[in-house]
Amino acid sequence: NAGVTQTPKFRILKIGQSMTLQCTQDMNHNYMYWYRQDPGMGLKLIYYSVGAGITDKGEVPNGYNVSRSTTEDFPLRLELAAPSQTSVYFCASTEGSSYNSPLHFGNGTRLTVT
Amino acid sequence: DAKTTQPTSMDCAEGRAANLPCNHSTISGNEYVYWYRQIHSQGPQYIIHGLKNNETNEMASLIITEDRKSSTLILPHATLRDTAVYYCIVRAVYNTDKLIFGTGTRLQVFP
Repeated sequence: NAGVTQTPKFRILKIGQSMTLQCTQDMNHNYMYWYRQDPGMGLKLIYYSVGAGITDKGEVPNGYNVSRSTTEDFPLRLELAAPSQTSVYFCASTEGSSYNSPLHFGNGTRLTVT
Repeated sequence: DAKTTQPTSMDCAEGRAANLPCNHSTISGNEYVYWYRQIHSQGPQYIIHGLKNNETNEMASLIITEDRKSSTLILPHATLRDTAVYYCIVRAVYNTDKLIFGTGTRLQVFP
């Protein structure tokens, strides 16, 4: 199993550009999450999904959109990139119905907006 | 808001036990305590979890107070590689829903 895979690893965007951060997992997990982490700070929840077709806002959803058309994929969309979105983005998944299933994280996407 | 509070930073000498506290005074009866750590800028890594009994695995021990309002993660013999940010979160048995992380504790292990 590859676990949680995020692409790209690095990206530089100009202000106003758009992009999609990809996240896919091969563990058949129902629950998926997007977090951002600013330098020296903790993780902030952007959006999450409890299953295909279901998404909900987290702590800091403004400026982002998500979709969940399949169990495996949970892409994060930035429509109009702003310098405040410079951050490291982590995707995670878990078997939500089982308390014994920890979060599995991807290796992150480091995004710089200039 | 995060349901847990942790000290911002701690130091520990290599080879000694590192005891990382976490306060979760509003924890519900169906919520587990989970610990993760993040080394450098890697994705967080699962360490251990528990409900009310003390737990031990190959990485660490978890001590939960009887009233479940706080817990302590113990790394019995800290090494330099244990230098990381440690996060404590609470998670419901069912209806996992949002999983909010706090700011964590930055553990520095020194020689």
